[in-house]
Amino acid sequence: QKEVEQNSGPLSVPEGAIASLNCTYSDRVSQSFFWYRQYSGKSPELIMSIYSNGDKEDGRFTAQLNKASQYVSLLIRDSQPSDSATYLCAVKVYSGGGADGLTFGKGTHLIIQP
Amino acid sequence: GAVVSQHPSRVICKSGTSVKIECRSLDFQATTMFWYRQFPKQSLMLMATSNEGSKATYEQGVEKDKFLINHASLTLSTLTVTSAHPEDSSFYICSARKGAPNTEAFFGQGTRLTVV
Repeated sequence: QKEVEQNSGPLSVPEGAIASLNCTYSDRVSQSFFWYRQYSGKSPELIMSIYSNGDKEDGRFTAQLNKASQYVSLLIRDSQPSDSATYLCAVKVYSGGGADGLTFGKGTHLIIQP
Repeated sequence: GAVVSQHPSRVICKSGTSVKIECRSLDFQATTMFWYRQFPKQSLMLMATSNEGSKATYEQGVEKDKFLINHASLTLSTLTVTSAHPEDSSFYICSARKGAPNTEAFFGQGTRLTVV
């Protein structure tokens, strides 16, 4: 049973500060890791993907992966009120079979306080 | 970019009827499409993986006879909820992938199904 765990929050961060979102996963053979942002009533949109250990930066976002600890995080620098949303961590395992969709965590509700 | 269009965005149906949801990749050919379901304040749960021209692979606990998936072309997959009941009310979201399993899949806008 693949599991992806996230703290549901809400996580409240002042505008301009760094928001840190964390995720752990249970399946050691997980190979791809994704962070999605989802606004209420909307479909998820991809923020970052990361495949190897270390940091990956894209604008204000940095994804961090530690496969030994089965841990992936997302840092949002210079947080803006528009960053307020639910952030979903997703993991993929390539099984070689017909089913290779994503396993999602329940998401962390982030609130950026103006 | 890659655009995935889902239709309808909202649908209300009576209990016992069937509802069809379409998922189209508008600017690429999708070798694989996925169907997810999201209940309020819950995460997305993968229902099934659909490869063009072959039968869908359903996740454990998802009834294949109730949730019929057809992926007849490289740009269209449909999900039909048969004999819908109020407990089927949910947010259904498709995603489509154009390449190998390690490539990105793009999400449609989602369909809010309400069964009354």
